[in-house]
This record gives sequence, structure tokens and C-alpha cells, in this order.
Amino acid sequence: KAGVTQTPRYLIKTRGQQVTLSCSPISGHRSVSWYQQTPGQGLQFLFEYFSETQRNKGNFPGRFSGRQFSNSRSEMNVSTLELGDSALYLCASSLEHGQGGKNIQYFGAGTRLSVL
Amino acid sequence: GQNIDQPTEMTATEGAIVQINCTYQTSGFNGLFWYQQHAGEAPTFLSYNVLDGLEEKGRFSSFLSRSKGYSYLLLKELQMKDSASYLCAVRDPTDNYGQNFVFGPGTRLSVLP
Repeated sequence: KAGVTQTPRYLIKTRGQQVTLSCSPISGHRSVSWYQQTPGQGLQFLFEYFSETQRNKGNFPGRFSGRQFSNSRSEMNVSTLELGDSALYLCASSLEHGQGGKNIQYFGAGTRLSVL
Repeated sequence: GQNIDQPTEMTATEGAIVQINCTYQTSGFNGLFWYQQHAGEAPTFLSYNVLDGLEEKGRFSSFLSRSKGYSYLLLKELQMKDSASYLCAVRDPTDNYGQNFVFGPGTRLSVLP
């Protein structure tokens, strides 16, 4: 079974530009979550999608947005890039077992974004 | 809010045993996870605790005490390949769907020969 696939692996952008990152979940997984990982802040939750609907959102500005398609693939968009957006962006997929379920999240290798 | 603490770095010797601690302060509790992340790679799932006690899985074990807000990951018979960051995460109890994870800062473990 293929794992979570994220593209591209590396990206270099300049301030003010926008970027779109892609995530293909494990087959059968309908929940997709996005995280930002930086040396100073660790892994921080961005948002979670299920059946094309955003169910949860972390504490990030509106420049960060996402969507999910009918095949569960997800994209994340960051507009008006700032230097502080340089980070590793991780996507995770999970089966859905509700609030009390195990819901293990399986991560992709991430997209490393550098903003110059 | 949720707050999770872990030591930033630890060093141990090949063949030894190491315990990585995690303390959390949350407004409720709905499960604790440990992940391993090698440099430049995806975090991989190690263990899940929702009830008090010890969960053993090969060389790795994880312990939970909900009353103390405390967990540890125990790694036995350390190998060089165990050099990695270990992430403690709790599930946000206010999330109705059980998918919002709050991660600690991670503990970077270096295993020396």
C-alpha cells in the first residue's frame, strides 16, 4: 500500500508570492491534516479536511488555506508569502474512527518551503 | 489550551536503555501518541496510550499516567538507527472528530557507539 505522497519535496519562493502544495493520502483514508514544522515552534496544526470539508483549523492567518477533492487528495495554499513561512509542511492522513477512536495519523515526507 | 513538554536533547550509548519523558497540561484527555522522526523524513507512528499503564512493542514501550499528565517512551537495546527526534502528541480533547493532534517540541536522541 502506497504511503502519503507530498509534492513537491522542495520549493523556493520569494516574499509576496503564493504557493500550492499537494498531498495524496493513503488509499481509503478520508481525513487529511496539514502541519507546519519549524525548529523553533515544532509541529503546529494548520487544518484538517474530511469529505471535502474543513472540520478543524489551527491558529494561522487567513493567508493559509486548503481544500480537499472528492478523491481525498488535498492541496494547501499560502498567499503573500513571508520570510517566516519558511518551514517543512507535513501532510498526514488517517482513517476515521470518531472522537474516541485511535485515528493514527500517517505522515508524508513533507514539502520544504524556503522563502527568500 | 494544551501544553506539552519534553527534553530538547538526550544522548545515550549503543546497547543501553533510554527513557524520554513527556508531560502535558490539557483541558481534558483523549489519547497520547509517540512518533519517531529521522532527519529529513516523515514522522512515523510508534505507540498509542489512552489508558494508564505500559504498552510494550518490541524494543519500545510507552507508559501513561493520566492523573499525573505524564508519559514516557522507553527504548531498550539502543541501536545507532534509533538516533532521531521523538515526538509526543496528545489529541485535542475539544476536537469532536479526534483528528487534531497537539505535538510537543520533540526530543532529539543521539546514540553514540
